[in-house]
Order: sequence, then C-alpha cells, then structure tokens
Amino acid sequence: SQKIEQNSEALNIQEGKTATLTCNYTNYSPAYLQWYRQDPGRGPVFLLLIRENEKEKRKERLKVTFDTTLKQSLFHITASQPADSATYLCALGQGAQKLVFGQGTRLTINP
Amino acid sequence: GAVVSQHPSWVICKSGTSVKIECRSLDFQATTMFWYRQFPKQSLMLMATSNEGSKATYEQGVEKDKFLINHASLTLSTLTVTSAHPEDSSFYICSARWETQYFGPGTRLLVL
Repeated sequence: SQKIEQNSEALNIQEGKTATLTCNYTNYSPAYLQWYRQDPGRGPVFLLLIRENEKEKRKERLKVTFDTTLKQSLFHITASQPADSATYLCALGQGAQKLVFGQGTRLTINP
Repeated sequence: GAVVSQHPSWVICKSGTSVKIECRSLDFQATTMFWYRQFPKQSLMLMATSNEGSKATYEQGVEKDKFLINHASLTLSTLTVTSAHPEDSSFYICSARWETQYFGPGTRLLVL
C-alpha cells in the first residue's frame, strides 16, 4: 500500500538557520508533490507544488526538491524565523484526484 | 485569491443530533471539493470526494449514510454528520480544487 513518511515528528531549529524537512514515499508514483503549512486549529495552507519532471522549486525563503529516483522530497526554509513554527505536511497527488498526506513534521524555531 | 470558507468554525451538539457543515469557495468555482477529518496530532484523512451535480465518492471505511455530502453548486458543498456520537468528535476540514487544493479553516465538532 502507499506509504508516506516525514522524517521526524518534531524538529527544533535555531532562528536564522536552515530548516530541512524530509518526505519519503513508497509504492506510489506521484505526478506532483505539495507542501502545506498547518497552524494549530487551522486548515492547511498551500505553500509549493513541484511536478515529477521538476527537480527544484523556490518561493522566497522556501525551496523544495523532488527526486523521483530516491522517492524523496526535501523542504528547506532558509533564514528561519520563530513565525515559521508550525506543522508542515507533504502531500502526493496524481492528476486532479485526491491527495495523500504524510503525518506532518512539527517545526519549532527557537529565538 | 483561492479562498475557502467553512461554517461553523466550531459546534457542540448532543449525541444523536445531526450537524451540517458548509464549505464555500469564495472567489473561484470548484467542480471538486474534498472532505477530511483530522484527529489530534494526526494527519488529514480523506473522507470523501464531492463532485458538483453527482454523488460523492467515499473512502473505504467511511459510512456514506452517516456522513451525507451534497455539492449542489460550484461554490458550495455541505457535510452532514447524522446521528452524531462522541466518537465523531473531530476537526473536519474541506478543500476545493483550483489548480491545486485550497483548504478551509476547519470546523471543530464536539459531540457530548
């Protein structure tokens, strides 16, 4: 069955450093991969989408890589700030159909 | 753009009653909306896919007679939890598809 694993349940990073989150998947061939941010008691907020034929995507301080050979995506936040503290979810999709979500990584940026 | 709203944001009800949750895409039309449930410290679990003008497609293990979904227009889908019980208490989140999925703020349901 499809399995998506985000490397750690929780990650603590010092402010100003680069936070790197990992998303691995098995038994799946996604056409695209997305990253969302979720704050407590709120719905997920879309951050970035990367397609299977793309290696890297950037948006301001965010960078996502997608390696379909390793079946892995890395999500980087550079110059991290306490306001970046949240749970980050990766999600895989094919076409216009449903997304399959990882369990999330709770990121805390310490001042 | 791509704003999705949900109403109510939270609801408390007695066991055995029915609760309706609305999901609206405010600035775009969505032929497809999705309903998720999220338990504390867990990820989103897809309950059903809602297509405008047709019956919803439910995920395995989700009771379609208990979780009624109606997608009557391109901007509105509703989820009705019928005969709610305490184990239905959860955070319900909808999303609407426009290029990608955009999520509503969620509805917290507490069944006493």
